Amino acid sequence: SAVISQKPSRDICQRGTSLTIQCQVDSQVTMMFWYRQQPGQSLTLIATANQGSEATYESGFVIDKFPISRPNLTFSTLTVSNMSPEDSSIYLCSVEEADQASNYGYTFGSGTRLTVV
Amino acid sequence: AQSVTQLGSHVSVSEGALVLLRCNYSSSVPPYLFWYVQYPNQGLQLLLKYTSAATLVKGINGFEAEFKKSETSFHLTKPSAHMSDAAEYFCAVRFRGTYKYIFGTGTRLKVLA
Repeated sequence: SAVISQKPSRDICQRGTSLTIQCQVDSQVTMMFWYRQQPGQSLTLIATANQGSEATYESGFVIDKFPISRPNLTFSTLTVSNMSPEDSSIYLCSVEEADQASNYGYTFGSGTRLTVV
Repeated sequence: AQSVTQLGSHVSVSEGALVLLRCNYSSSVPPYLFWYVQYPNQGLQLLLKYTSAATLVKGINGFEAEFKKSETSFHLTKPSAHMSDAAEYFCAVRFRGTYKYIFGTGTRLKVLA
């Protein structure tokens, strides 16, 4: 399965600043997904990033707050802009892969634990 | 509406006891179903997945899950809990015709010595 490298693994940031999270995949993938996991909660999809087009954002998430880049088929970044303490979460990137039987499943990066103070 | 429900946000079992984590989905068409595990300070790791090939699915670390269409369930089990199984477990569904996954609220498993 794909190996996803995500960095930074954690960061503590001042409110009002921005943080860019990088996600590198060791194989070419069409879609990359960005999730947020707020403390003690489940995962919520932020957006889907396709190479060569603008990301598709889910309800409640906007490009100005979470700009995403997808310059090629193996890399994506998510920026958390103008941060507030409410943005403190784990941010995860993921890709969907098919196995030899053409069955799909997500592979996740190890996540970025963000704390905004 | 399509949804996924995990019953029990916290489950405690004794070491060596049966582990049973519950997951139900709501859909007229059986979706693809997944169980993921998240260890402290880590990302999510796929335990197993149901893709309609077999109703009893075996995964890693001795876990298995059985798809029951009549009950719209995909409960996760392990015959004998180990201390290293302590983690958070997420059930997820991918409804057919969409690439989006919906995650359950998670169940935190505690294993008692």
